Amino acid sequence: NAGVTQTPKFQVLKTGQSMTLQCAQDMNHNSMYWYRQDPGMGLRLIYYSASEGTTDKGEVPNGYNVSRLNKREFSLRLESAAPSQTSVYFCASSEGSSGTFYGYTFGSGTRLTVV
Amino acid sequence: AQKITQTQPGMFVQEKEAVTLDCTYDTSDPSYGLFWYKQPSSGEMIFLIYQGSYDQQNATEGRYSLNFQKARKSANLVISASQLGDSAMYFCAMREVNNDYKLSFGAGTTVTVRA
Repeated sequence: NAGVTQTPKFQVLKTGQSMTLQCAQDMNHNSMYWYRQDPGMGLRLIYYSASEGTTDKGEVPNGYNVSRLNKREFSLRLESAAPSQTSVYFCASSEGSSGTFYGYTFGSGTRLTVV
Repeated sequence: AQKITQTQPGMFVQEKEAVTLDCTYDTSDPSYGLFWYKQPSSGEMIFLIYQGSYDQQNATEGRYSLNFQKARKSANLVISASQLGDSAMYFCAMREVNNDYKLSFGAGTTVTVRA
């Protein structure tokens, strides 16, 4: 099925451990995004990639790094996990980065717990 | 400053009745897009409806309609004939030219449909 695939779906990390969240889309979309969702705060943008080869910080980038590996794949890395990074992470993609009418397609999310 | 405000953290609605979810937004950009997403308990983000800032008519998609009041910067979602499957979290979001076309989300409203 066409869409956005995130792995893993669940992860428990110890404080200080590192991990990479993977995201791939098969819709030939140009733009990709990483959000985190916390109770009462909606979704907040961590990093985004408007097109292949570019990445930019979003609203809450501290503690994260990203890589746009190719047009399909956009990974999010936590170098040294902290309990404050316990959250649900969503990857999303969009056909265009320069039009207000393009909606996002979301992955199913990764529930991350840092203990 | 909060760009999207959803003032109703939670709502109850009787099955088959209509419910209105409030959303106000803040932008100085003449060109923007407004979106509503549904997040059921399973966690995925489902696109419901879109309204462009230049659209003259309110958007409708099946049982969903968007009450767009541009002067008041309001984009309320109306769900008609509520069904038990409408129980979910609902997010209002905005995409602006001046925000590099990134999608900004409100905190969400939880809707519970009662039989």
